[in-house]
Amino acid sequence: QVHLVESGGGVVQPGGSLRLSCSASGFTFSSHAMHWVRQAPGKGLEWVAFIGYDGDNKYYADSVKGRFTISRDNSKNTLYLQMDSLRAEDTAFYYCAKDLGSIGWSQYYFDYWGQGSLVSVSS
Amino acid sequence: EIVLTQSPATLSLSPGARATLSCRASQSVTSDLAWYQQKPGQAPRLLIFDASKRATGVPPRFSGSGSGTDFTLTISSLEAEDFAVYFCQQRSNWPPGSFGGGTKVEIK
Repeated sequence: QVHLVESGGGVVQPGGSLRLSCSASGFTFSSHAMHWVRQAPGKGLEWVAFIGYDGDNKYYADSVKGRFTISRDNSKNTLYLQMDSLRAEDTAFYYCAKDLGSIGWSQYYFDYWGQGSLVSVSS
Repeated sequence: EIVLTQSPATLSLSPGARATLSCRASQSVTSDLAWYQQKPGQAPRLLIFDASKRATGVPPRFSGSGSGTDFTLTISSLEAEDFAVYFCQQRSNWPPGSFGGGTKVEIK
């Protein structure tokens, strides 16, 4: 079955950097677009970033554009989120999520999610 | 950016009752809308996509309807495991997608 496991979260000072990883299994990772979605504790959901199945297409929420970078290594079945210039408002659980679509046909719905990794930005 | 407004914020119902959740978009999203369920301490789970299509493994008591700007998630008869928070999400003008603020279904 599909399994997504995030890692790399933690406490970081404002202005600092962190890299999240998401290890995928149970499906053909290289055939599916992937997303990062975040949720501040006790709050709603916010889409953060998208990457196409082959890594060629990337989109970002305005709130993170220029600071966050999404990438993937299909040989390692792993998704990444490099987060730089972190701010207090970036504090959230970060979920990696699999796109419902397949090769050449992203659906921009999220059919499987990881358990989340908490990023806390505080001095 | 398209804003999704969910109502009510909280729905207090008894097991076996029918639940009707609303999601209204600030402009038409045609049928490009999904519903997710989230339980405490868990990741969201996709229930409905394209406004009315059930995701794999979702029980038939969950149904979605609507198009344009007004959408409804109906749970025909609430079971104990259905008490959770429900979010709608649109993909009409991607990027960005957007989520509604959520409706909490709690036990009355």
